[in-house]
Amino acid sequence: DAGITQSPRYKITETGRQVTLMCHQTWSHSYMFWYRQDLGHGLRLIYYSAAADITDKGEVPDGYVVSRSKTENFPLTLESATRSQTSVYFCASRGAAPDTQYFGPGTRLTVL
Amino acid sequence: DAKTTQPPSMDCAEGRAANLPCNHSTISGNEYVYWYRQIHSQGPQYIIHGLKNNETNEMASLIITEDRKSSTLILPHATLRDTAVYYCIVRAGSNDYKLSFGAGTTVTVRA
Repeated sequence: DAGITQSPRYKITETGRQVTLMCHQTWSHSYMFWYRQDLGHGLRLIYYSAAADITDKGEVPDGYVVSRSKTENFPLTLESATRSQTSVYFCASRGAAPDTQYFGPGTRLTVL
Repeated sequence: DAKTTQPPSMDCAEGRAANLPCNHSTISGNEYVYWYRQIHSQGPQYIIHGLKNNETNEMASLIITEDRKSSTLILPHATLRDTAVYYCIVRAGSNDYKLSFGAGTTVTVRA
């Protein structure tokens, strides 16, 4: 399917476990982003990537790790999940025409 | 980035035009106005953007005042599926990748 997809859509895990959220886009966009959305905080940028093998921190990077070995994939890993990381996670990629971000459907993560 | 101010909520009747205001009084000359919306449980969706001219696409129209300190998003014939949170965002264009989402306006379209 063309566009941007995220998996899994729903995930329940326990404190201390490692969790990886997947993001895949078919447009070959250079920029990709990870956001989290919590009640009362809106969308906050976790990490972004300008191209394969180039990543940088956003507003709330602590507790997260990213990698980008291929242009189309941008996985987000919680190395040791905490309850405060319970949230909805959105991946996005940046297109050129128009110059804007296109968001995936989100992953709802619950850490028990 | 310039800060934006939007009303927290508004109602609209189905079939009528919905006019969503946004104030961005500190906008700089190179900053664009972007509108996104987020339907419940979905990712944000791009609607439209503009610099200083009015813009129209298949989803909406964007009216930017001459001094660029405010803008209005117009949904010409609102439907129930337009119920969503609408975000007005100002960003500096192609050299600025960042999107800063505020609280937005919760628009409820009523039958």
